[in-house]
Amino acid sequence: ETGVTQTPRHLVMGMTNKKSLKCEQHLGHNAMYWYKQSAKKPLELMFVYNFKEQTENNSVPSRFSPECPNSSHLFLHLHTLQPEDSALYLCASSTSDRDSNQPQHFGDGTRLSIL
Amino acid sequence: GQNIDQPTEMTATEGAIVQINCTYQTSGFNGLFWYQQHAGEAPTFLSYNVLDGLEEKGRFSSFLSRSKGYSYLLLKELQMKDSASYLCAVVDSNYQLIWGAGTKLIIKP
Repeated sequence: ETGVTQTPRHLVMGMTNKKSLKCEQHLGHNAMYWYKQSAKKPLELMFVYNFKEQTENNSVPSRFSPECPNSSHLFLHLHTLQPEDSALYLCASSTSDRDSNQPQHFGDGTRLSIL
Repeated sequence: GQNIDQPTEMTATEGAIVQINCTYQTSGFNGLFWYQQHAGEAPTFLSYNVLDGLEEKGRFSSFLSRSKGYSYLLLKELQMKDSASYLCAVVDSNYQLIWGAGTKLIIKP
């Protein structure tokens, strides 16, 4: 399924670098999500956007900065990251953040490694 | 607090049947999802349950008991391609998805 596309697939960066993750969905959805996935841990919801408005920010450090210019695109800007931020970052979309019976559709993720 | 419990890892034989359990304690309940995630790939939707009972979809079935806070995913006629992680997630009263850590299923010939 290529409904949700994430770039890059892999990213290695130093702690002082600035980089951005990109997500694009072609499903006509109105809600988009950023998750962090670490080995053997549950998915951690980071941010939620519904109709371009941020509706959730789950106590994420300010070194992660989301941007949602429209309902199809979502960015995660990274700055001064820490080694513990190394993880798989997943983007997802759904019809709305209030449609409890509609599944989220995920991208393949960006594997981030902080040196 | 909110909690989803699933076994960390299970092993089964090709052609056999396996049941992956999920128990949950959440603030409210608006449905339960099962997702499949192959290594290095996106989680993909398998099933959704909101009422008690069994939902069958081909080789995969999902069961829910709301009174027990319990669900299971049943995989029949296992194939090697079923080797993956299986994620359980509950929609709470705030319409947030609460995720389990996933069950890694290993299929042996």
